[in-house]
Amino acid sequence: AQKVTQAQTEISVVEKEDVTLDCVYETRDTTYYLFWYKQPPSGELVFLIRRNSFDEQNEISGRYSWNFQKSTSSFNFTITASQVVDSAVYFCALSGSNAGNNRKLIWGLGTSLAVNP
Amino acid sequence: DSGVTQTPKHLITATGQRVTLRCSPRSGDLSVYWYQQSLDQGLQFLIQYYNGEERAKGNILERFSAQQFPDLHSELNLSSLELGDSALYFCASSPWGQGDGYTFGSGTRLTVV
Repeated sequence: AQKVTQAQTEISVVEKEDVTLDCVYETRDTTYYLFWYKQPPSGELVFLIRRNSFDEQNEISGRYSWNFQKSTSSFNFTITASQVVDSAVYFCALSGSNAGNNRKLIWGLGTSLAVNP
Repeated sequence: DSGVTQTPKHLITATGQRVTLRCSPRSGDLSVYWYQQSLDQGLQFLIQYYNGEERAKGNILERFSAQQFPDLHSELNLSSLELGDSALYFCASSPWGQGDGYTFGSGTRLTVV
């Protein structure tokens, strides 16, 4: 069965601190996709990144970076120099790429990040 | 604007009632997914449609049903509502045959009183 674990329920940091959000996944698929979404207090789900299982290159986008390690089944997300606007709930999600059109997302429970001024 | 439109944004209704949530997918996307986000269960997959046909079912209650119409918009029907059905309901769409990400609508917040 597929599963996503975000062990950190809540994290609180002071502005400008770096913070890493952990994500560990389980799947038997050889091809799969990993995602991070941000859910600000307004409630919408904002897409941050998609990674396929064959691409283990780390990615950096501004203050955001992602570390994908298949050996440990982890896909961690780091925010550098955090800002108050980064305060949100962050979700890690997994989908398979089996034939057909069933690619539902399996979600972690989310990490609530509070960045304090 | 993500391109996925969900209506209404907010809905307050009484227990026992029936409601319909509507989703218009992003132009060109054939797949529609429905998710429920509740405080106790987190984000849960409910059901997927592809080009009018049901493709996958998740943790969807028998009181809930959905369909996708020829113009590709989808509706989620919730009946005999209970207090525990209060949640944020998201619709997402994705293109066929590609591993692209999913585009989410802004959600419908359902409150059952």
